[in-house]
Amino acid sequence: NAGVMQNPRHLVRRRGQEARLRCSPMKGHSHVYWYRQLPEEGLKFMVYLQKENIIDESGMPKERFSAEFPKEGPSILRIQQVVRGDSAAYFCASSPRMGTRGETQYFGPGTRLLVL
Amino acid sequence: AQKITQTQPGMFVQEKEAVTLDCTYDTSDPSYGLFWYKQPSSGEMIFLIYQGSYDQQNATEGRYSLNFQKARKSANLVISASQLGDSAMYFCAMREVNTGFQKLVFGTGTRLLVSP
Repeated sequence: NAGVMQNPRHLVRRRGQEARLRCSPMKGHSHVYWYRQLPEEGLKFMVYLQKENIIDESGMPKERFSAEFPKEGPSILRIQQVVRGDSAAYFCASSPRMGTRGETQYFGPGTRLLVL
Repeated sequence: AQKITQTQPGMFVQEKEAVTLDCTYDTSDPSYGLFWYKQPSSGEMIFLIYQGSYDQQNATEGRYSLNFQKARKSANLVISASQLGDSAMYFCAMREVNTGFQKLVFGTGTRLLVSP
């Protein structure tokens, strides 16, 4: 059973370009979470999605950032007009269902975004 | 206020010895879950252990155990018989359930170095 998959693993963008990060959850998982990790810091929640729905985007910057989890295909985190401060590791996690205390979120390997 | 506090930026331990990594948390939600993740230098986030707020016994997973002291709001990770491969960053995280949110809130991490 494949784990959470993220691609690309590394992404280099120049300021002003767009970055698209993809996440395929574990098989059977319909809940996806995106987190950002700045250098030498812990992970910070960005957004929680279920298929075709954004459930909680309280951690996502209001501008330039968007996320989707379509009925078919991977979840996408999109960052428009990237700035140097967007350089970070972006992690996706998935879980099979919500509502229980112990529902573990399994993380992908992360995408390291570097903005030049 | 910090939800998750990890006061040890770095810890050193000799191989085969036990080590305790501290974690305190802050919540008014009676229903919550506590998680520990390991992040080796390769960058991925590996789930280690989970403790529920209503669990009567401390969680154990192989060489990992969680010293859960609810009244003190602490959830320390104990690694027994340390191995060189345990050298990594360790993150404590919490999920509150009754608020309806599914996000994990992470501490700033503890870097563990295991020496031969």
